[in-house]
Amino acid sequence: DVKVTQSSRYLVKRTGEKVFLECVQDMDHENMFWYRQDPGLGLRLIYFSYDVKMKEKGDIPEGYSVSREKKERFSLILESASTNQTSMYLCASRPTGPLTYEQYFGPGTRLTVT
Amino acid sequence: AQSVTQPDIHITVSEGASLELRCNYSYGATPYLFWYVQSPGQGLQLLLKYFSGDTLVQGIKGFEAEFKRSQSSFNLRKPSVHWSDAAEYFCAVGASGTYKYIFGTGTRLKVLA
Repeated sequence: DVKVTQSSRYLVKRTGEKVFLECVQDMDHENMFWYRQDPGLGLRLIYFSYDVKMKEKGDIPEGYSVSREKKERFSLILESASTNQTSMYLCASRPTGPLTYEQYFGPGTRLTVT
Repeated sequence: AQSVTQPDIHITVSEGASLELRCNYSYGATPYLFWYVQSPGQGLQLLLKYFSGDTLVQGIKGFEAEFKRSQSSFNLRKPSVHWSDAAEYFCAVGASGTYKYIFGTGTRLKVLA
C-alpha cells in the first residue's frame, strides 16, 4: 500500500512565523504535489515537484515555497505566515508513467494562523 | 481551458436511496477522469477512474460512474447509499501533458438515517 504521511494533522501558528509542512511518501514516487483546500474552492495546486530539487509552480504559489532534497520528502514553506493562509493542506504523490496512474493523498494538515 | 464543474455543493439523501453526483468537464482531448472521496478529517481516497474503453466504470464501495462524451459528463452513482457514505466527493480531470489534476469544487453528501 502506498503511504503518504504529513508531519502534523493540526498546526497553529502566529502571523509572521515561518512554517514548515512536511510530507513523506514511501513508494519511491518521482512526483509530489502540495494542494490547498478551502470550502467552495476545492483543491488548488500550490507547487509540484517531478524530481529531486525540481519544482514547478502551480496555480497559487504566492506566499509559498517548497523544498525537495530527497525523493521521498517534499516540504511546503510559508516564509511569513498570514491569516489568509489558514487552510487545509494536502500532499500527494504519484509515479512517473501513464496518465492513468492516480495521485495518492496524505491525511492533510489543518493550519490555523492567528 | 480545462475545467471541472460540480454543480451541486450539497446533497442530502436518505439511507438506502440512490445517489447521483454530477460532474461536467471541459477538455480538448480524451480526458482522464477521477472521482475521489474525502471523509471528515481525512485525505482523499480514489473511488474510481476512467481513461478509455467501457464508459461505465466500477469503483470501490459500490460506486460506479458513467462517462458521456456527448454531454462532457462523468457522473458518480450508487444504487443504495449507506450512512458511512457521508463525505465530500471530488471529481478531477488529468491535465494534458502533465501529471497535474484539475479538481472540481466538491459535493458534500449528507445521509439521513
